[in-house]
Amino acid sequence: GQNIDQPTEMTATEGAIVQINCTYQTSGFNGLFWYQQHAGEAPTFLSYNVLDGLEEKGRFSSFLSRSKGYSYLLLKELQMKDSASYLCAVRPASGGSYIPTFGRGTSLIVHP
Amino acid sequence: DAMVIQNPRYQVTQFGKPVTLSCSQTLNHNVMYWYQQKSSQAPKLLFHYYDKDFNNEADTPDNFQSRRPNTSFCFLDIRSPGLGDAAMYLCATTLAGGPISGQETQYFGPGTRLLVL
Repeated sequence: GQNIDQPTEMTATEGAIVQINCTYQTSGFNGLFWYQQHAGEAPTFLSYNVLDGLEEKGRFSSFLSRSKGYSYLLLKELQMKDSASYLCAVRPASGGSYIPTFGRGTSLIVHP
Repeated sequence: DAMVIQNPRYQVTQFGKPVTLSCSQTLNHNVMYWYQQKSSQAPKLLFHYYDKDFNNEADTPDNFQSRRPNTSFCFLDIRSPGLGDAAMYLCATTLAGGPISGQETQYFGPGTRLLVL
C-alpha cells in the first residue's frame, strides 16, 4: 500500500522562501510528482523526481531522497499567486506505474 | 492547444436524479482517469481506462459508472446521486507505455463541480 503525508496548511510572506515536505511509505517507488492546485481548479504539473537530488525549475525546486522516503518542494520569491494547494503524488513501481497515489495536499497561504 | 476539456464546469442535480459528466481530450493519450475530490482531500481515483480496458477501483460505489466510446471521450455516470456525492470530479489523461515512457505525467481537465440538492 501507499501512505503519503504532507502538512495540511502553511503560511508564508510574499517574497519569502517556503519548503513543503512530503514523506511516503510505499510498497514500491517509481517517481514522485508535485502538482499545484488553485482553489476550484484542476491540478497542474510542477515537477517530477525519480533520482535522488534537487531539480530546479525557476522559482520552484523539488528534492528527493529515496532512502528516506522524503521529498520537498521549495518555493522562492513567493508571490501572492502562489497561494494554492500543493499535492505530492507517488508512482508505484508495479501494478500500474501510471496510477500515482496522491497526498491530501498542503494549502499554502501567502500574505503581503 | 492540446488539452483536456470537461463539461459542464458546474452541475446541479437533485437527489437521486441521474447525471452524466463528460470529458474529452485532444492529446491522444491512451489512459483516461476519473477522480473525485472533496474539499481539502486528495483526489480519489474512481476508475480508469487503459485504451478500452476498464479498471474499477475496489471501493468505487456501484452508483458510479463510466463509458469510453472512443479514445477522445470519456463519461462519468452517477445513477442516483446522493448528498455525499457532491464534490469536484476531475478527468485526467496520460500516455502510458509509449516510446518516451518515463514519468507519465497526468494532465487534468478543469473539473466539474457537482452540487446535489
